[in-house]
Amino acid sequence: AQSVAQPEDQVNVAEGNPLTVKCTYSVSGNPYLFWYVQYPNRGLQFLLKYITGDNLVKGSYGFEAEFNKSQTSFHLKKPSALVSDSALYFCAVRDAGGYNKLIFGAGTRLAVHP
Amino acid sequence: GAGVSQTPSNKVTEKGKYVELRCDPISGHTALYWYRQSLGQGPEFLIYFQGTGAADDSGLPNDRFFAVRPEGSVSTLKIQRTERGDSAVYLCASSLNGYQDEQYFGPGTRLTVT
Repeated sequence: AQSVAQPEDQVNVAEGNPLTVKCTYSVSGNPYLFWYVQYPNRGLQFLLKYITGDNLVKGSYGFEAEFNKSQTSFHLKKPSALVSDSALYFCAVRDAGGYNKLIFGAGTRLAVHP
Repeated sequence: GAGVSQTPSNKVTEKGKYVELRCDPISGHTALYWYRQSLGQGPEFLIYFQGTGAADDSGLPNDRFFAVRPEGSVSTLKIQRTERGDSAVYLCASSLNGYQDEQYFGPGTRLTVT
């Protein structure tokens, strides 16, 4: 069965420092991977996805993610964090059953301190 | 353009009552999804529509839950005989074609069953 793990409940980083939010996955077949961000009282916003191609995927708001097949990881990164990046981040994998059903991780809260 | 909208934003109901939650997807999106998000967890898939038909309803927890999309646009999630355990945020998402494309989420309906 497909699954996603986000091993950190919370990540703390100082503004201006690089940030990494970790995600590992377990799938049968080729993985289709997504990152979403959730701000308070708002819906999930799409950041980026990996379907195929380059292992480094660039997305919205300066975020990028690195797909690593051997480590079954899809970590979210940003070179320089902003206080406004503070939010809840979700990694998701598309179900292998042929439809676009997403299986989400439990989420990681990112706190960027001034 | 307009995003996914959901009404109501909040719904408080008594145990045993019937509720309907509405979702207006992005115009032109053929795929529509319902997820449920409990506190501190990632969204969990409920049902997926391709056009008017439910292509995958494997996430519906029991037969008290039902969803329709009669004209291939607006969808209604219906919950009969609500229970306190149904309290959660119900998220709707739509995507262009339901294959590898990203899903766009609405702000959610917070359901509280007292």
